[in-house]
Amino acid sequence: DTGVSQDPRHKITKRGQNVTFRCDPISEHNRLYWYRQTLGQGPEFLTYFQNEAQLEKSRLLSDRFSAERPKGSFSTLEIQRTEQGDSAMYLCASSLGRGGANQPQHFGDGTRLSIL
Amino acid sequence: DQQVKQNSPSLSVQEGRISILNCDYTNSMFDYFLWYKKYPAEGPTFLISISSIKDKNEDGRFTVFLNKSAKHLSLHIVPSQPGDSAVYFCAASARTGANNLFFGTGTRLTVIP
Repeated sequence: DTGVSQDPRHKITKRGQNVTFRCDPISEHNRLYWYRQTLGQGPEFLTYFQNEAQLEKSRLLSDRFSAERPKGSFSTLEIQRTEQGDSAMYLCASSLGRGGANQPQHFGDGTRLSIL
Repeated sequence: DQQVKQNSPSLSVQEGRISILNCDYTNSMFDYFLWYKKYPAEGPTFLISISSIKDKNEDGRFTVFLNKSAKHLSLHIVPSQPGDSAVYFCAASARTGANNLFFGTGTRLTVIP
């Protein structure tokens, strides 16, 4: 079990630029989640994949955000035309979905995005 | 609308004593509850969970208690160790849709040697 891996760990960019983050989940996990965490808050849900299908998106995910999981393994989160308010920690989590059974989500160490 | 609340931003405990972290929730559809520990510059690490069909779950020094009627859960750490010093997040999910987690704002635990 190599854990959830996220790349890059830090990203500094100018307002208006596009950024892309990558997440590699735990290999046998079929569910993948993206969350965003700002200072003093807990993580907030952005979007969810079961295998390659994006099944749910939060209202937090504006049109500038897009996420993919093309082969049901790694995922990417792209933010277009970044704004100051996008500065946050972006966390990826994965879990093993088995019917109705609850399974804990395991998180990566996140990508910290800073918009200049 | 904060559906999961941790009303104590911080807690200090002497090494060897019990740490009790509290969490309240408002959504009666939540049926799975988790505690995560977070160190600086790392992602949340899963600690322990409990399903709504139980009222207690133990794992070593960590015990989670669930009171469904009060919509309250707590995490007990005994004995507390300096390495337990971290931010603890309570999270909950409902068995519908994405099963995404709703998090509280965290409690910073400091264990004093």
